[in-house]
Amino acid sequence: DAGITQSPRYKITETGRQVTLMCHQTWSHSYMFWYRQDLGHGLRLIYYSAAADITDKGEVPDGYVVSRSKTENFPLTLESATRSQTSVYFCASSGLAGFASYNEQFFGPGTRLTVL
Amino acid sequence: GNSVTQMEGPVTLSEEAFLTINCTYTATGYPSLFWYVQYPGEGLQLLLKATKADDKGSNKGFEATYRKETTSFHLEKGSVQVSDSAVYFCALRDWNQGGKLIFGQGTELSVKP
Repeated sequence: DAGITQSPRYKITETGRQVTLMCHQTWSHSYMFWYRQDLGHGLRLIYYSAAADITDKGEVPDGYVVSRSKTENFPLTLESATRSQTSVYFCASSGLAGFASYNEQFFGPGTRLTVL
Repeated sequence: GNSVTQMEGPVTLSEEAFLTINCTYTATGYPSLFWYVQYPGEGLQLLLKATKADDKGSNKGFEATYRKETTSFHLEKGSVQVSDSAVYFCALRDWNQGGKLIFGQGTELSVKP
């Protein structure tokens, strides 16, 4: 499928379990982002990646790990899930600075994660 | 640091009413500004954008003007429809952290027939 996809769309897990959320984009965009959406906070950046093998922390990175071995994939792992990580997670991508695609971030449909 | 403040919701309007959702920002320099819309159960879609002062973004009857002097980017629509019911997010593009978006908290709009 063209665009940006996320899987799973819904996930229920228990405290202490490891969970991986997947993100895949077909545009070969350089930049990819993970945001979490919580009521009253809008969306906040967890991690971002400027290219394959280049990742860096955002505003709320604690408890999360990312990797990017291929340009099109950007998985987000919760190493030991906590209740405070119950949220909706959005992946986004954008092109390189200087290109028109830099000036818009394209969002996936989101993953709703519940940690019991 | 940079930030975005939106008017709180929820906002409930009757069909064909005029809509304004206020958005103000704090930023160094002149970042690009955006309005995103999130329909129930979906991801965020770009509604409109403005990249420099006095630019007007428009799409689907919605408009917003980049006002440098008041650091505002208010969203307006002359006549809302039931299908406009959604959550609206104002955002700015930060130059740091890969050009991340900094979002307001979102405003839920409900339009009644």
